[in-house]
Amino acid sequence: AQSVAQPEDQVNVAEGNPLTVKCTYSVSGNPYLFWYVQYPNRGLQFLLKYITGDNLVKGSYGFEAEFNKSQTSFHLKKPSALVSDSALYFCAVSFWGNNRKLIWGLGTSLAVNP
Amino acid sequence: GAGVSQSPRYKVAKRGQDVALRCDPISGHVSLFWYQQALGQGPEFLTYFQNEAQLDKSGLPSDRFFAERPEGSVSTLKIQRTQQEDSAVYLCASSSSVGERTDTQYFGPGTRLTVL
Repeated sequence: AQSVAQPEDQVNVAEGNPLTVKCTYSVSGNPYLFWYVQYPNRGLQFLLKYITGDNLVKGSYGFEAEFNKSQTSFHLKKPSALVSDSALYFCAVSFWGNNRKLIWGLGTSLAVNP
Repeated sequence: GAGVSQSPRYKVAKRGQDVALRCDPISGHVSLFWYQQALGQGPEFLTYFQNEAQLDKSGLPSDRFFAERPEGSVSTLKIQRTQQEDSAVYLCASSSSVGERTDTQYFGPGTRLTVL
C-alpha cells in the first residue's frame, strides 16, 4: 500500500541548533514529495517539494530537504532553528497513478526551545 | 484573491443537521481539492475538481457528503444529516494547472466543524 510515515510525533531542539524532521515513504513508481507546515488555527503552508533532479531541495524560511531514493526518505532540515519554527510539520507524497491527490503523514510537532 | 479562503471558519451543528462549507480558491486556479483532517491526524483526501468537473470523489466517506463547483471557481462541500464522526477540520486547496502530480497545492485556513 502507498503510505507516508513520520516516525517521530514530536521533536525538541534548542534555538540555534540544527533540526531534522524525518519522513519515509512507500510508493510504487516515482514519488513527488512535499513538506508543509501548519501553525495553530491556520491552514497548511507549503515549504518545499522534490520532483526530480538535485536530491537537495531548498525551500521557504531556510528549510531544505534531502531526497534519498535508496532509503526512501525525504527528511526536512534547517541549519539553525528559530523559536518561531515551532509548529506541526507534514510530509506528503503524490505519485503516478493516484490521480493528483496527496497522501499525508500524521505530522510531527516541532518545539524549538529558547 | 491573495489566497484560498474558506467560510465559515467555525461551525457547530447539532447531529442530523445539514451543513455547507464554502471554498474560494486562488483566482484562476483550475484545480480544487477538499481534504478532511481529524484531530491529531494528517489530512485525508475527499474529492478533486478540474474546473467544474469532479474528476475524483473516491475519498468521500458516505453518500451524505456532496461537493460541487458549478462555475469552476467557488466550491461548496455539503454534509447532510451530520454525525459526530464528521467532526473535523475541512481543508480546501487549489493549484494552478490541470492537476499535474507535481503541482503545489495551496491551502485555505480550514473550517472546523463540530457536531454535537
